[in-house]
Amino acid sequence: QVQLQESGPGLVKPSETLSLTCTVSGGSISDYYWSWVRQPPGKGLEWIGYKHYSGRTNYNPSLKSRVTISVDTSKNQFSLKLSSVTAADTAVYYCAREREAMAYDYWGQGTLVTVSS
Amino acid sequence: DIQMTQSPSSLSASVGDRVTITCRASQGISNYLAWFRQKPGKAPKSLIYGASSLRSGVPSKFSGSGSGTDFTLTISSLQPEDIATYYCQQYSSYPYTFGQGTKLEIK
Repeated sequence: QVQLQESGPGLVKPSETLSLTCTVSGGSISDYYWSWVRQPPGKGLEWIGYKHYSGRTNYNPSLKSRVTISVDTSKNQFSLKLSSVTAADTAVYYCAREREAMAYDYWGQGTLVTVSS
Repeated sequence: DIQMTQSPSSLSASVGDRVTITCRASQGISNYLAWFRQKPGKAPKSLIYGASSLRSGVPSKFSGSGSGTDFTLTISSLQPEDIATYYCQQYSSYPYTFGQGTKLEIK
């Protein structure tokens, strides 16, 4: 059974960089799209972007200038970096696995990141 | 961006009822539509992809239909464990976008 688990600081100061890691167990990190989605408290879901294990990436234009998603095949992990954060970036961040033309099949539990001084 | 509009926003139904949730896209997305549910504090669980294809392990009481701009998710016989918020998501074009969710409750 494939499992995804997010990890990282739950509190980030304004203007700093948010860094999260998603560890994939029960399956290989190859051959899929590895994605991040977030949900601000009381609001809807927002797609952040993905990185394919081949290196191809695609980011939400609203965040593109601040986002980097990377994949570490040796550790079976992928990560999210979001720079210059503000209170508006406070959200539950989910990692997810996407299969070609089949949308997300596995999600992490989600981790709350609060941006505050 | 493609806007996804779900209706209703909340729904109260009785055990055993047939429940239908609607999702409308602001432009055609063929069948690139997924449904998933989320229980409080839990990971989202994927139910359907390709508008009507059931994920492995998902009970057959869930079904999806539609193409283009209008889609539905149906639960044939509502059970207490189905209480959750249900979301649709389009993956036809970037950025992917989600419906605002339908909160399902037991009457």
